[in-house]
Amino acid sequence: DTAVSQTPKYLVTQMGNDKSIKCEQNLGHDTMYWYKQDSKKFLKIMFSYNNKELIINETVPNRFSPKSPDKAHLNLHINSLELGDSAVYFCASSRGAGRTEAFFGQGTRLTVV
Amino acid sequence: SQQGEEDPQALSIQEGENATMNCSYKTSINNLQWYRQNSGRGLVHLILIRSNEREKHSGRLRVTLDTSKKSSSLLITASRAADTASYFCATAASGGQGAQKLVFGQGTRLTINP
Repeated sequence: DTAVSQTPKYLVTQMGNDKSIKCEQNLGHDTMYWYKQDSKKFLKIMFSYNNKELIINETVPNRFSPKSPDKAHLNLHINSLELGDSAVYFCASSRGAGRTEAFFGQGTRLTVV
Repeated sequence: SQQGEEDPQALSIQEGENATMNCSYKTSINNLQWYRQNSGRGLVHLILIRSNEREKHSGRLRVTLDTSKKSSSLLITASRAADTASYFCATAASGGQGAQKLVFGQGTRLTINP
């Protein structure tokens, strides 16, 4: 069973479109994250939710809107996609924000053309 | 910023040799974690060392932490081709509202040559 699963794995879309990436974890964790990995492999945290509540928002443009319908899901919606949004987006979860190991999904490679 | 920095950025060694990667960070931490990322995959947690620990072992992995120097090292002994991957250190830093966030360095790209 996949612990943290995100869909889709690949996403190619045109500038200006709106897209969503879904994430689900079956580990019973209370904290979920979205990270962005750029072409230089640098991983930067975007958002963190604890028990469905937003606890970290790292100055991400308003075009990015996370939604957590329940503790097991954290989806990422992106409006008006730009070329610079092209990256690999990783969902992760942990028990206790940052205090224990994080489990990562396989990533979603977003390409904006 | 809290960002960790790995050194070296890339490391290429022969199978069977030991590989050492270093990580430095800037502010006080709750814990430091090491992760591995195979090409095109997500990150996999390797080991967590708490701020009050100095050394930790897990199989062929040995991690040290020196909080006075704000640095950590990851040693992989008797390397294998399957160890080829990128290795990241991550520090748990305050993210506000009592939350802790994992802040990653840029990673060390390790290549094990057969």
